[in-house]
Amino acid sequence: DIQMTQSPSSLSASVGDRVTITCQASHDISDHLSWYQQKPGKAPKFLIYDASNLETGVTPRFSGSGSGTDFTFTISSLQPEDVATYYCQQYDDLPLTFGGGTKVEIK
Amino acid sequence: EMQLVESGGGLVQPGGSLRLSCAASGFTFSSYWMHWVRQAPGKGLVWVSRVNRDGRNTDYADSVKGRFTISRDNAKNTLFLQMNSLRAEDTAVYYCASSIGAFDLWGQGTMVTVSS
Repeated sequence: DIQMTQSPSSLSASVGDRVTITCQASHDISDHLSWYQQKPGKAPKFLIYDASNLETGVTPRFSGSGSGTDFTFTISSLQPEDVATYYCQQYDDLPLTFGGGTKVEIK
Repeated sequence: EMQLVESGGGLVQPGGSLRLSCAASGFTFSSYWMHWVRQAPGKGLVWVSRVNRDGRNTDYADSVKGRFTISRDNAKNTLFLQMNSLRAEDTAVYYCASSIGAFDLWGQGTMVTVSS
């Protein structure tokens, strides 16, 4: 199985800060990586596919980069509505696997 | 509006069975692979199963293989998950999701609680 290691597990930042989350795959997954946002009590929301492509309608404050085993998700300027847990996920091989999540809070 | 709506969750005793449904609308259901993903209370997301566009090919996580069966009815735009021999560790919110690569559309989830 491909393990997805996400860090940090939680972070607290100020409004307007740049926030970066990393995701490391245990095997080369090319760019077969997506990012999701989940707010408490809600379903995950699709944000980014193929490591760096923003889904239609998603705020351009969000961006993704990386390939192979190392990936990054960035919020360019943290806003109150960005408070949520963020997950990476690989779809290169079965079983499809998610990172453990990063809980983002406002300081 | 593209939408997935799950139903069928509830409280079931260990060893029991439950059938989840996921009704799709607003898009061409038969063009997408479909998945079930679950989330235990306070935990992360875990992929459970997937079915291809015509329903002929299925895959499962090891933890549910032999107990769960995924299927779809493209004429009725509906995805199913038959869950047998349920265990306490199957307690979770179950989401259906559509994909071409990534999971691009998710339902709101249905809660399954396995307890005596």
